[in-house]
Amino acid sequence: DAGVIQSPRHEVTEMGQEVTLRCKPISGHDYLFWYRQTMMRGLELLIYFNNNVPIDDSGMPEDRFSAKMPNASFSTLKIQPSEPRDSAVYFCASRIRDRGKAFFGQGTRLTVV
Amino acid sequence: AQSVTQPDIHITVSEGASLELRCNYSYGATPYLFWYVQSPGQGLQLLLKYFSGDTLVQGIKGFEAEFKRSQSSFNLRKPSVHWSDAAEYFCAGLGGGNKLTFGTGTQLKVEL
Repeated sequence: DAGVIQSPRHEVTEMGQEVTLRCKPISGHDYLFWYRQTMMRGLELLIYFNNNVPIDDSGMPEDRFSAKMPNASFSTLKIQPSEPRDSAVYFCASRIRDRGKAFFGQGTRLTVV
Repeated sequence: AQSVTQPDIHITVSEGASLELRCNYSYGATPYLFWYVQSPGQGLQLLLKYFSGDTLVQGIKGFEAEFKRSQSSFNLRKPSVHWSDAAEYFCAGLGGGNKLTFGTGTQLKVEL
């Protein structure tokens, strides 16, 4: 298995633009997580899905952030409109519940100028 | 509230010296516990995990961690540090509600 795949690896965009981050979890994993990593706040859980259904989105910072999981092999995290303070590394992770171990993607480094 | 605390933001050790990174947790019941390592520009790699049973857990790259219920701790150790171990280390806990909660991380610097 190729592991959790995120795209793009790097994204630079102007303030006000829409940004879409993509994630392909490991096949067969039924949990998917989106995290954000910044120097100030470390790793924050934004939202997680179980069987494509959002379970907890209390970590989503603002309504500008939204996430979807239309099927078991794909999820998106969208920021619209983007702001400079959204600049961070965004990680996607997936796991099978009874194994307990989360596998992370390489992350998407977002820079909003 | 469920939380994981890493009291040390930065640690510097000499190559060949022993290492201990601290992690404390606060959960209603003992959570599953994990240590991850993040090298510069890289994603997170799992070093080891504790679910139950033997309180001394062996991981990859020569790391081990000891679970101590009385101290609510899960400290990461390595007998002899290599320069390539320089990275950021995250402790994480998985409790009820299925949330994987991370500590703030400890940045390890290795002096040659």
